[in-house]
Amino acid sequence: EPEVTQTPSHQVTQMGQEVILRCVPISNHLYFYWYRQILGQKVEFLVSFYNNEISEKSEIFDDQFSVERPDGSNFTLKIRSTKLEDSAMYFCASSGSTGWGTQYFGPGTRLLVL
Amino acid sequence: ILNVEQSPQSLHVQEGDSTNFTCSFPSSNFYALHWYRWETAKSPEALFVMTLNGDEKKKGRISATLNTKEGYSYLYIKGSQPEDSATYLCASMNSGGYQKVTFGTGTKLQVIP
Repeated sequence: EPEVTQTPSHQVTQMGQEVILRCVPISNHLYFYWYRQILGQKVEFLVSFYNNEISEKSEIFDDQFSVERPDGSNFTLKIRSTKLEDSAMYFCASSGSTGWGTQYFGPGTRLLVL
Repeated sequence: ILNVEQSPQSLHVQEGDSTNFTCSFPSSNFYALHWYRWETAKSPEALFVMTLNGDEKKKGRISATLNTKEGYSYLYIKGSQPEDSATYLCASMNSGGYQKVTFGTGTKLQVIP
């Protein structure tokens, strides 16, 4: 069964460093998402991406964040200058041909900013 | 900012008992309601997507209903089994940002054998 994959599973970085989190969505899916969950808090929407551009983003998704689909298979989230409060589990998800349809989540990347 | 609430936060039930929990969401500009099942150390697994008022969906022993006019959805589990132990998340999509998903805090279910 097709699944969303994410790499790395864990990442530790120093404050101020750039990180890139990678996701490979399900191959025929058209909508892609990033979410995060800070320990003990709700899952939070960051951004949705369709047709090679951002379709929605939350207040969290400021200029420090960017997304890219560089090669038609990978979907990346870049944090330019990490802060301590960026420490969280980051989930990628994808959905098929409708923007409101079932979303399939990847296993997540746990990011720790020191 | 949309507010999606789930209750209870957690519950323990005996194996074989049926149970239900609630998700309340803003009824204005409603687009879709998602339910997910999230086991520890795994990723959220989609259970249902509902869009229409009165929708009822069923998957095995789990079913869900949707009331978009009053802004709530119920998730029911019939004859709970230990493998049903997980956190159940709901998430609302409201138009004017229809792909912007707002999650509830989840209901953590523990089924005691």
